[in-house]
Amino acid sequence: DAKTTQPTSMDCAEGRAANLPCNHSTISGNEYVYWYRQIHSQGPQYIIHGLKNNETNEMASLIITEDRKSSTLILPHATLRDTAVYYCIVRGYTDKLIFGTGTRLQVFP
Amino acid sequence: EAGVAQSPRYKIIEKRQSVAFWCNPISGHATLYWYQQILGQGPKLLIQFQNNGVVDDSQLPKDRFSAERLKGVDSTLKIQPAKLEDSAVYLCASSLRVLDNEQFFGPGTRLTVL
Repeated sequence: DAKTTQPTSMDCAEGRAANLPCNHSTISGNEYVYWYRQIHSQGPQYIIHGLKNNETNEMASLIITEDRKSSTLILPHATLRDTAVYYCIVRGYTDKLIFGTGTRLQVFP
Repeated sequence: EAGVAQSPRYKIIEKRQSVAFWCNPISGHATLYWYQQILGQGPKLLIQFQNNGVVDDSQLPKDRFSAERLKGVDSTLKIQPAKLEDSAVYLCASSLRVLDNEQFFGPGTRLTVL
């Protein structure tokens, strides 16, 4: 079973920041937080991952709370192409990816 | 760099028939995965290969599903016989190494069983 809880859906205006929350209250010390997204009719795409420090790459930023029980994926300037299902996954280093149902993000003009 | 290729993109069969899906991973990627994604759900791992050996097939319904990865490159996933509940998108993914952070997914094959 997925170890995370995410809202079913969210909306965001184009050009604004999209903040996608994820709860993972049972995360253990050696487990990472991963984010993937799946655009309609495509396979999932890796976005970012982190252990306890905040991370940033060309796609997004990942903010992990100090107690590591929750995190937020930030898309700083959402575009229509960011409309997708976003999956937050908790994974041990040697574990497989276990996808939940994710958050459906709709970016509107 | 070319991505993960899958074929066919769509397949419609009747229950009890057989079907096979093909996957060509990114060149040089040692690890290959097959996932099943039922409508409205996230992908579920069916089987994982490291080169041509099976690492994890705990979620593969072995009475009807089989997969192989000859020569450690291309892979095929077969269902025989198909059931209605096998209707799903079958996704193939690959990664350079088994512990890599990023898996690269193909576009998937949408299977409809009537």
